[in-house]
Amino acid sequence: EAQVTQNPRYLITVTGKKLTVTCSQNMNHEYMSWYRQDPGLGLRQIYYSMNVEVTDKGDVPEGYKVSRKEKRNFPLILESPSPNQTSLYFCASSTGRLAGGHEQYFGPGTRLTVT
Amino acid sequence: AQSVTQLDSHVSVSEGTPVLLRCNYSSSYSPSLFWYVQHPNKGLQLLLKYTSAATLVKGINGFEAEFKKSETSFHLTKPSAHMSDAAEYFCVVISIKAAGNKLTFGGGTRVLVKP
Repeated sequence: EAQVTQNPRYLITVTGKKLTVTCSQNMNHEYMSWYRQDPGLGLRQIYYSMNVEVTDKGDVPEGYKVSRKEKRNFPLILESPSPNQTSLYFCASSTGRLAGGHEQYFGPGTRLTVT
Repeated sequence: AQSVTQLDSHVSVSEGTPVLLRCNYSSSYSPSLFWYVQHPNKGLQLLLKYTSAATLVKGINGFEAEFKKSETSFHLTKPSAHMSDAAEYFCVVISIKAAGNKLTFGGGTRVLVKP
């Protein structure tokens, strides 16, 4: 089944403790992206990657890191999480440039709470 | 620069009546526009998209949207609401640029369907 998977689905952690949220897709998509969803703000793009070893900042990259060493994986790293990073996170992948109308496929989401 | 405004944060309709979700955008370049739906505790699913072809776009589950350049709008409609349409809807814009794949989400419209 074609899908985007994220792990963990739920995470409660403490301020400053490094964490990684994994994202994997099995559709051989070139484009992958991370978003955070907060009430009333919709989804905001954190980082995106147009291919292996190619990443770029979205609208809210502060406090996050990403890497794209393999086509299928795009982990999101929080080196020193803070309470303002408490949010619902989505990973997405796409066959190509979104401006060309390519659909994004979203993972199920990871709910992160930082205390 | 680009932005999206969803004019209603909440919409309440009775089952069997029409649904209208309003979206206005701004973009420095020719935009591609999308509507995504998010059911409770689920990821996002593409409803429909506009990519400079026909201005009236038909999507899944009976939804359609009309791109009006003069009004910078991309409103989503459905002639007859169903209980399963209760969800949150997001309008999304991306500009066709030489590089980059940044996209912008609206704040979302939560739809309540009354029996």
